[in-house]
Amino acid sequence: QLQLQESGPGLVKPSETLSLTCTVSGGSISSSSYYWGWIRQPPGKGLEWIGSIYYSGSTYYNPSLKSRVTISVDTSKNQFSLKLSSVTAADTAVYYCAIGPAAAGTVDYWGQGTLVTVSS
Amino acid sequence: IVLTQSPATLSLSPGERATLSCRASQSVSSSYLAWYQQKPGQAPRLLISDTSNRATGVPDRFSGSGSGTDFTLTISRLEPEDFAVYYCQLYATSPLTFGGGAKVEIK
Repeated sequence: QLQLQESGPGLVKPSETLSLTCTVSGGSISSSSYYWGWIRQPPGKGLEWIGSIYYSGSTYYNPSLKSRVTISVDTSKNQFSLKLSSVTAADTAVYYCAIGPAAAGTVDYWGQGTLVTVSS
Repeated sequence: IVLTQSPATLSLSPGERATLSCRASQSVSSSYLAWYQQKPGQAPRLLISDTSNRATGVPDRFSGSGSGTDFTLTISRLEPEDFAVYYCQLYATSPLTFGGGAKVEIK
């Protein structure tokens, strides 16, 4: 059973870059069976997919965020990361890291979520 | 593709049947529709994939059905722990898409 834990600053200033890391335990993420991704949820609102990365290195991003998002993976550390640049207050949300089967796209494993607030 | 969930809020009593709708803006493969449950302060949990396949450990009072543009999550008899927000999700496409959510609240 994989366990995911997000880490990173809870407060980011407008125009700066949001950086989060997801550390995975309970198994290796070095598997072509999985994809690794990020999903966010503004306070009181619904879920928004940010993007995903696959074992091959292929990345897929939400078109609405694509110009500002980078997702990367470090299999040696069993971690993957999110960078979101030029943030505004609209990027304030709970950010979840997620893992699911590469052949599908469901989210089988979720982190507990971390609230990131964009404010000066 | 846009997923529209209805109703936004469903007020029911324990023991009653809940029927949640998820409508896609265009026809989708039923292999690629999932449902999640989210309780306050928690991450969502996968309930159903491929329209009707329950995830491991999900009680059989949860069932999914549908095809084309119309999909349904049914909770046959609501238990106290089922009062939560439910999201449908379209996957195996890019971008992955979630519905806006439907809240099942205690009447």
